[in-house]
Amino acid sequence: QQQVKQSPQSLIVQKGGISIINCAYENTAFDYFPWYQQFPGKGPALLIAIRPDVSEKKEGRFTISFNKSAKQFSLHIMDSQPGDSATYFCAALSRYGGATNKLIFGTGTLLAVQP
Amino acid sequence: KAGVTQTPRYLIKTRGQQVTLSCSPISGHRSVSWYQQTPGQGLQFLFEYFSETQRNKGNFPGRFSGRQFSNSRSEMNVSTLELGDSALYLCASSSLPDQPQHFGDGTRLSIL
Repeated sequence: QQQVKQSPQSLIVQKGGISIINCAYENTAFDYFPWYQQFPGKGPALLIAIRPDVSEKKEGRFTISFNKSAKQFSLHIMDSQPGDSATYFCAALSRYGGATNKLIFGTGTLLAVQP
Repeated sequence: KAGVTQTPRYLIKTRGQQVTLSCSPISGHRSVSWYQQTPGQGLQFLFEYFSETQRNKGNFPGRFSGRQFSNSRSEMNVSTLELGDSALYLCASSSLPDQPQHFGDGTRLSIL
């Protein structure tokens, strides 16, 4: 019940296209959902995050869509660029029982944007 | 503002040894968490510290331990190293628990 399932495992998109990565969770106590971007040799960098009281959040070319009833959330990268080629991780956190930093991560999606 | 700093960046150890990894959080951040990243298990939570207190621990054996100092810097220690401990160890800091976490670039630990 603590898992976050992420798909696809890898994704190839043409430059200018839309990249879509999906995540699903079981634990209804999760109430914070960030996305991280990781380049080789670097740590994960926080991209965008959402709480379940909103259905969509947009920051530049990155949008999170959140479906609370389906327990699913997704990352959309509009106008994908070769510089977006990286591994993307979704994550979830539950504040049940008090504030915590214990993030549960998805398995990652390796995105390749072809020029 | 400097980011999260982890030292050393790379370490090579042999089985049975012990190792200490260091993390300096972003200035003003008081909460530090540690994660292990491996190709097989992905990113897994190790523990979190706030105000020098361990608030949460992941599902790792007692060989994994950590501490936080009064200046919020943190160390993690792994004793009696095993081959399976080879991983990228990541530290993340936030201003307070439950606030956005920012990661360092990690320490790559290789066990021979």
